[in-house]
Amino acid sequence: KAGVTQTPRYLIKTRGQQVTLSCSPISGHRSVSWYQQTPGQGLQFLFEYFSETQRNKGNFPGRFSGRQFSNSRSEMNVSTLELGDSALYLCASSLGRAGPQFFGPGTRLTVL
Amino acid sequence: AQSVTQLDSQVPVFEEAPVELRCNYSSSVSVYLFWYVQYPNQGLQLLLKYLSGSTLVESINGFEAEFNKSQTSFHLRKPSVHISDTAEYFCAVGDNNAGNMLTFGGGTRLMVKP
Repeated sequence: KAGVTQTPRYLIKTRGQQVTLSCSPISGHRSVSWYQQTPGQGLQFLFEYFSETQRNKGNFPGRFSGRQFSNSRSEMNVSTLELGDSALYLCASSLGRAGPQFFGPGTRLTVL
Repeated sequence: AQSVTQLDSQVPVFEEAPVELRCNYSSSVSVYLFWYVQYPNQGLQLLLKYLSGSTLVESINGFEAEFNKSQTSFHLRKPSVHISDTAEYFCAVGDNNAGNMLTFGGGTRLMVKP
């Protein structure tokens, strides 16, 4: 089976812009979660989608949003980018609830 | 809220020596635990998992971890490390009542020296 794929792999934006990141889960996986990884804060949970519904949300401002499509692919959007949003954004997929999560390679976002 | 503590940010060790990476978590509710490994410029790879059942779990490449509920720990061990084990290791905890939301520790950088 193909693993979790994320596009794009690298992205450079300027402050104030918005960005959309995409994630395709492992075939058959219905849960997609997003995490932000930074040197200072480590790995932090953003949100989880299951069958097109947001099931959990981390402690991030409303500028961070996401959605999931009927084919389980997911997108996350960050509006009004700030310098502190520079990070590696990781997507993970899982078959169901409370099971192993498999991570994609990440999208490295740099905000200038 | 859950918290996960990885007590050592860096662990230097010589090749073929044993190693233990420590992980403690705060929650006493029903949890599941993972160890992930991250190589430079890559995502996280699942190393091993504890969901239920036997408290000793093993991976295919010689790592093992033991779930200790009374000490709320999930330490990772390997009896003999290899240069290729050099990477960052993350412990993660999930709550069985909270879906797939994982709380990660700060990571331990394992540096294997020849």
